[in-house]
Amino acid sequence: AQTVTQSQPEMSVQEAETVTLSCTYDTSESDYYLFWYKQPPSRQMILVIRQEAYKQQNATENRFSVNFQKAAKSFSLKISDSQLGDAAMYFCAYRSAWCNDMRFGAGTRLTVKP
Amino acid sequence: GAVVSQHPSWVICKSGTSVKIECRSLDFQATTMFWYRQFPKQSLMLMATSNEGSKATYEQGVEKDKFLINHASLTLSTLTVTSAHPEDSSFYICSVTSPLPWTGWVDPYNEQFFGPGTRLTVL
Repeated sequence: AQTVTQSQPEMSVQEAETVTLSCTYDTSESDYYLFWYKQPPSRQMILVIRQEAYKQQNATENRFSVNFQKAAKSFSLKISDSQLGDAAMYFCAYRSAWCNDMRFGAGTRLTVKP
Repeated sequence: GAVVSQHPSWVICKSGTSVKIECRSLDFQATTMFWYRQFPKQSLMLMATSNEGSKATYEQGVEKDKFLINHASLTLSTLTVTSAHPEDSSFYICSVTSPLPWTGWVDPYNEQFFGPGTRLTVL
């Protein structure tokens, strides 16, 4: 079974600075998809960014970018120019190309200091 | 993005009662819905995959007789927690993925749209 590990339970960043959240996963599959979701205090899950495993180019979405290292099974999220609204729980998730369900990491709580 | 609603948003019940939670896909027909459970300060754990018109697929360790799932239509899936106990208190979240037009096939790259969740408190 696939597992997703987020080794940082909590992270803190100063407003306008850059922070990187780490995520590693374990799988024997070659085709899969990786996601970062944000869960603010409202508990509503919001997609931040996603990456297809067969694409070597790292995905970017405005201030959010990933460092995808397929061989190392690593999928870190970089948040540039951090804003107060970025404060939330961030979950890394894995989805097989052949299954619909999604596996989540334990999450990283990000605090943004003004 | 898709709109997914859950009802109720918060329910408090006595131990031993059954609680039904609804998940609705408001703007597309969802052949597949997912049910997750999230304990305080923990991650989302997949409980089951709900398929319209067929039996749900439960994850290992999830009691199917306790967590009854009914996906009777393409826009509604229900999760019933039977004989609820305090240890069932949790946050229950459903999600859907929009299928491709005409085929009904779900692209795994598609975003999963999550409902706002239902907080269950069993006294």
